[in-house]
Amino acid sequence: EAQVTQNPRYLITVTGKKLTVTCSQNMNHEYMSWYRQDPGLGLRQIYYSMNVEVTDKGDVPEGYKVSRKEKRNFPLILESPSPNQTSLYFCASSLEGPAHDQYFGPGTRLLVL
Amino acid sequence: GDSVTQMEGPVTLSEEAFLTINCTYTATGYPSLFWYVQYPGEGLQLLLKATKADDKGSNKGFEATYRKETTSFHLEKGSVQVSDSAVYFCALSDLGGGSYIPTFGRGTSLIVHP
Repeated sequence: EAQVTQNPRYLITVTGKKLTVTCSQNMNHEYMSWYRQDPGLGLRQIYYSMNVEVTDKGDVPEGYKVSRKEKRNFPLILESPSPNQTSLYFCASSLEGPAHDQYFGPGTRLLVL
Repeated sequence: GDSVTQMEGPVTLSEEAFLTINCTYTATGYPSLFWYVQYPGEGLQLLLKATKADDKGSNKGFEATYRKETTSFHLEKGSVQVSDSAVYFCALSDLGGGSYIPTFGRGTSLIVHP
């Protein structure tokens, strides 16, 4: 079954404690991205990757890091989380880029105290 | 920069009513247009898309036509069901404008009552 998986689905942490949210896709897609969804703001892209070792900033990259060492995985790293990073996060992938159909993961709800 | 504007919700309808959710856009290039749907507790799913002017995307009874002259991509369905209750996002991808960052609207919540 074609899918994008994220872990964990729910996470409560404290300010400054580094965390990683994993994302994996089994469709051999080249393009992967991370979004955050906040009430009244819709989805905003954090980072994207066009292929292995190729990443670039989205609209709201501050406070986040990513890596793309393997085609299937695209982890999101918060080195020093802050309360304003409390949000719902989605990973997505598509065949070649955002003009192609994007497949979304189920979401990770993060609360930073 | 690019932008997408959707009508604010929630939109509340009775079952079998006609649905329209308005979406207008601004883009520097010639974008592809999408509608995504998010059911409660889930990620977004592509509902339909259109890649050029006058194209009509359709899926599950939903339709939207790419109108370049009015820069619009309104979502319609002739007869909604309770199971259509969800949040709907209009989005564009403007590679011709040089961006690999898609733009999403803020989402419109649809509530369908039996």
